[in-house]
Amino acid sequence: GAVVSQHPSRVICKSGTSVKIECRSLDFQATTMFWYRQFPKQSLMLMATSNEGSKATYEQGVEKDKFLINHASLTLSTLTVTSAHPEDSSFYICSALPLPGGTQETQYFGPGTRLLVL
Amino acid sequence: AQTVTQSQPEMSVQEAETVTLSCTYDTSESNYYLFWYKQPPSRQMILVIRQEAYKQQNATENRFSVNFQKAAKSFSLKISDSQLGDTAMYFCAFMVQTGANNLFFGTGTRLTVIP
Repeated sequence: GAVVSQHPSRVICKSGTSVKIECRSLDFQATTMFWYRQFPKQSLMLMATSNEGSKATYEQGVEKDKFLINHASLTLSTLTVTSAHPEDSSFYICSALPLPGGTQETQYFGPGTRLLVL
Repeated sequence: AQTVTQSQPEMSVQEAETVTLSCTYDTSESNYYLFWYKQPPSRQMILVIRQEAYKQQNATENRFSVNFQKAAKSFSLKISDSQLGDTAMYFCAFMVQTGANNLFFGTGTRLTVIP
C-alpha cells in the first residue's frame, strides 16, 4: 500500500519549452502533495505544498510563475516547469500525505523525475 | 524554526554488523513526528521507520530500531545485521504534528555496506 507514481521518470527538453510532471497516489487519497527538488548528493529541498482544490503554497525563493502546480483531484498533482532553462535541470520528487484516518502524517514518495534541459 | 542535523556525511559497515546513524534536531514544538527515510541508488525515497514524539517506547521495524531521546532531541537509527541492500543515503526528517505537515530533512548520511 501507499504507492506514489511519477511520470515521466526522465525527460530531456530544449531550453524554452515547458515540461509537465505528474504525481499520482495509486492506492490512497491525498489532500496534500509536496514537490521537492534534489541536487546531486544533497538533501531534498521543498519547493511547494499542493492542496487539492486550492492554490499551492510556495517556499521562499521558488518562482510560482515558473513552477506551476495543479492539484486537480485527490490522487493527482502536476508540476509544470515553464520556459525551462539549463539551470532547471534537476531531480524532482513528489510526495503525498494520506487523508486522515490512514497512516497519518507520513509522506510517501514518488520515484522522482530527472529533468535535463539542453 | 525546525532544524535537523546529521553529523555523519558518510559511514561504512561490514556486512552482518551493526551500525548507528546519528540525528539531532531542534524545535520548540512538543508534538511532532520523526522519520528515517532511505534513498538507494534508484533514488526512490523509502520510509524506514517512524516515531511519534509522545511515545516513550522506541520504534522498531525488523532490523531497524531507533534510540529516541526527547530531552536530548536525539533520534539515532540502528541497523542490525547489515545487508548489502542497506547501502543508501539515509535522511532523518521531522514533522510538526499540527501544522503544514512539512518535512524538515537533515543533510543525509551515505551508508556503504561492505561485503
